[in-house]
Amino acid sequence: QKEVEQDPGPLSVPEGAIVSLNCTYSNSAFQYFMWYRQYSRKGPELLMYTYSSGNKEDGRFTAQVDKSSKYISLFIRDSQPSDSATYLCAIPMNRDDKIIFGKGTRLHILP
Amino acid sequence: EAGVTQSPTHLIKTRGQQATLRCSPISGHTSVYWYQQALGLGLQFLLWYDEGEERNRGNFPPRFSGRQFPNYSSELNVNALELEDSALYLCASSLIRLDGQETQYFGPGTRLLVL
Repeated sequence: QKEVEQDPGPLSVPEGAIVSLNCTYSNSAFQYFMWYRQYSRKGPELLMYTYSSGNKEDGRFTAQVDKSSKYISLFIRDSQPSDSATYLCAIPMNRDDKIIFGKGTRLHILP
Repeated sequence: EAGVTQSPTHLIKTRGQQATLRCSPISGHTSVYWYQQALGLGLQFLLWYDEGEERNRGNFPPRFSGRQFPNYSSELNVNALELEDSALYLCASSLIRLDGQETQYFGPGTRLLVL
């Protein structure tokens, strides 16, 4: 099983819908989780990070961690066409400081 | 504050040639990471430099190498280029935050095409 798995999509939703993006991970020792957003022809940019379980909210974005299921989610409320991008989950590997990225989910918000 | 910069933005080479990619980290960042983002494979960790030393490398052959200079800028060299080396190469610099966790900031990437 890969350490981090993410559905590549593409995911197409109408403007204004709630978007749910998800990753699963294999190592229960992971405690820190990040979401990056990557626009076409740009490098990834850090969107949100969470530590341990629970929810973290930042504007229209909510990051959720369910450690019992080893499942992390990013919710986007009131989605906008400008949210169209690839979203990557990322988890630091504590043992050697490497960060493992999911493959990314391509999201299209339809106006 | 300037972000991570990379040059060139695009690079076209032929098989067997060598490519050199450059990265300048955010001022004050001492760590530089290199990633390869090939179509369908996601971000693959290549190399990590900190304070001028190679700290870790990913599962790539030795023809992928690099170095970090005293000003913390970095070069990635790819020798004996192969067609499958065509990808977006991303550089990231990092800052260890007060809570001990690391945040990586990415540059725009160099798109390498091997013909």
